[in-house]
Amino acid sequence: NAGVTQTPKFQVLKTGQSMTLQCAQDMNHNSMYWYRQDPGMGLRLIYYSASEGTTDKGEVPNGYNVSRLNKREFSLRLESAAPSQTSVYFCASSEAGSSYEQYFGPGTRLTVT
Amino acid sequence: RKEVEQDPGPFNVPEGATVAFNCTYSNSASQSFFWYRQDCRKEPKLLMSVYSSGNEDGRFTAQLNRASQYISLLIRDSKLSDSATYLCVVNWADTGNQFYFGTGTSLTVIP
Repeated sequence: NAGVTQTPKFQVLKTGQSMTLQCAQDMNHNSMYWYRQDPGMGLRLIYYSASEGTTDKGEVPNGYNVSRLNKREFSLRLESAAPSQTSVYFCASSEAGSSYEQYFGPGTRLTVT
Repeated sequence: RKEVEQDPGPFNVPEGATVAFNCTYSNSASQSFFWYRQDCRKEPKLLMSVYSSGNEDGRFTAQLNRASQYISLLIRDSKLSDSATYLCVVNWADTGNQFYFGTGTSLTVIP
């Protein structure tokens, strides 16, 4: 039981390049989330998916797109990376509903130069 | 923006000490509250949920004060292994599945 896995762990992009961050969970959770964490800002929600087939914007969605590929997988795409997107990205999953624990992946450290 | 505010610290305490953190939130229509722990360069992990009547888990006690819009975390008999950043997390009833994180409070327990 791997929990939540993310790939890649580290990535360096040049401004304007695109990439997709992958996330998968094996806990049969309905809800999945993408956060970014910046120094002094705390974790901020980019997008979430309450259930398979649905996605919704979070607090900071601009510059990102997501795909809920199936119940297990939720990917985050940067179409044209900018230095402001340098951050640590965490994927999380949980049972549906607000009172449930979120389980986080190990994170992707992204640098955009 | 929904606000969740924490004192960033750092809190440096000796082993065996008792330490308390507070977290204030901006909106009274809040629904669920949590404390997460994050070790350096690691992912956050749930420490405990916070219930209206307060709750305890071993050396950790969480309290909720809805009238004053804050939650607290008390750690008794601090251990070196308690050194971490503690994140306050709030969910508001009108935002469905969205969770708002505080910036975290850094704790270092000193031998």
